[in-house]
Parts: sequence; C-alpha cells; structure tokens
Amino acid sequence: DIQMTQSPSSLYASVGDRVTITCRASQNIYTYFNWYQQKPGKAPELLIYTASSLQSGVPSRFSGSGSGTDFTLTISSLQPEDFATYYCQQGYSTPWTFGQGTKVEI
Amino acid sequence: QVELQESGPGLVKPSGTLSLTCAVSGGPISTNNWWSWVRQPPGKGLEWIGEVYHSGSTNYSPSLKSRVTISVDKSKNQFSLKLNSVTAADTAVYYCARVFIMGTVDYYYYMDVWGKGTTVTVS
Repeated sequence: DIQMTQSPSSLYASVGDRVTITCRASQNIYTYFNWYQQKPGKAPELLIYTASSLQSGVPSRFSGSGSGTDFTLTISSLQPEDFATYYCQQGYSTPWTFGQGTKVEI
Repeated sequence: QVELQESGPGLVKPSGTLSLTCAVSGGPISTNNWWSWVRQPPGKGLEWIGEVYHSGSTNYSPSLKSRVTISVDKSKNQFSLKLNSVTAADTAVYYCARVFIMGTVDYYYYMDVWGKGTTVTVS
C-alpha cells in the first residue's frame, strides 16, 4: 500500500493568514493526487484533483502543487468557512489511501 | 447532478453482518466510474473499504478483504456493502462515494461525489 503522511496534524491560524499543508507519498505517484476538505459532521468534499486542478465551485484562494512524492495545499487568505480538516489521497493505485488529516483551527 | 444516499441499520451486534446500501440518483450507475465505500471511526481519519464497477468488478482494501463484499444492482441503480464478523472497531460513519475516472490514455481517479454518511455502531 502507498502511505500518505500529512504535516502538520493540526495548526492554528487567523482569518486572512496564508496556510500551507504538505503531504508526502511513500512512493512516486506522479500527479495522481487529490485534496479533500471535511467540516465537522459533514462528508468530505473534493477540493483539488490531479495535484493542482481546482474542483468546480471551489474558491480560487485554494491551490495545489507538487508531483512525485511531495505535495502542497495552500490557502492564500484563510476565510472563516475554511476552518476544517483537510485530507490528501493518492489516486495512483488501489487501495486508495488517505493522509491522517490536518485540522485547521482558529 | 448525481447524488448518493446511504441507508441501513444503525446498530449491529458483534459478530454480525453490517449491510448498507447506497442509492444513486440523478444519473445511471452504469457509467464509466467506480463506486466506493469509505469509513471514518469516531474522531479518526478516512479509510477506504472498497469499490465496485457497474460490470460487477471489485477492488477491496487488503485489511478488510476477507470480510467485505461490495455488489451492484443496476436495476435499482444502487450498490451495497456487506461487512461480516463485525467488532466494535467497525463502529464508524460509512460514506459512499463516486470515483470519477478522468482521461483516455492516462487515467486519473478522484472521489467527486459523496453521500452524507450513515453512522453504524457495533454493540
């Protein structure tokens, strides 16, 4: 199985901050990589696919980058509705695997 | 707009079988997508369980493979999960999700539609 490791596990930030979350894969996954956002009590939602493509309806303050084993999610200016947990996921081979999550708190 | 809705018992006895169904609305299940189950134990992260294609082909998580069956019912436009020999460790919110397949030469996979989730407690 491909292991996905996110950092940090949690972070504190303020509205307007620039936030960066990283994810590392245990092997080369090229750009077969996705990011999800999950708010408390809700299902995850797709934010970014193929490492850098923004899902329809997702605000442009979200961006993704990276390829191979190292990936980054950036929120350029944190908004109140962005406080949530973020998960990375590899789409290279089954079993699909997720990172452990990064909780963005106020 | 495709929507997914999970249904099934919220309480299952230890050693019993967990059975859930995911109803697909807004489009046919017989499209070029995989249909997955993902679970989330209380306070923990996401765990992929497995997936089914409309042909009936399946992929499973190795850690659950011996206990899981995922099947599709095209006539009802739904797919189902059965997990047997459950223990308290199987207590979780269970989500169904569509695994979208993008591309024609290189295939990219991502979960673009999710159900709201259903809580299953083993007790």
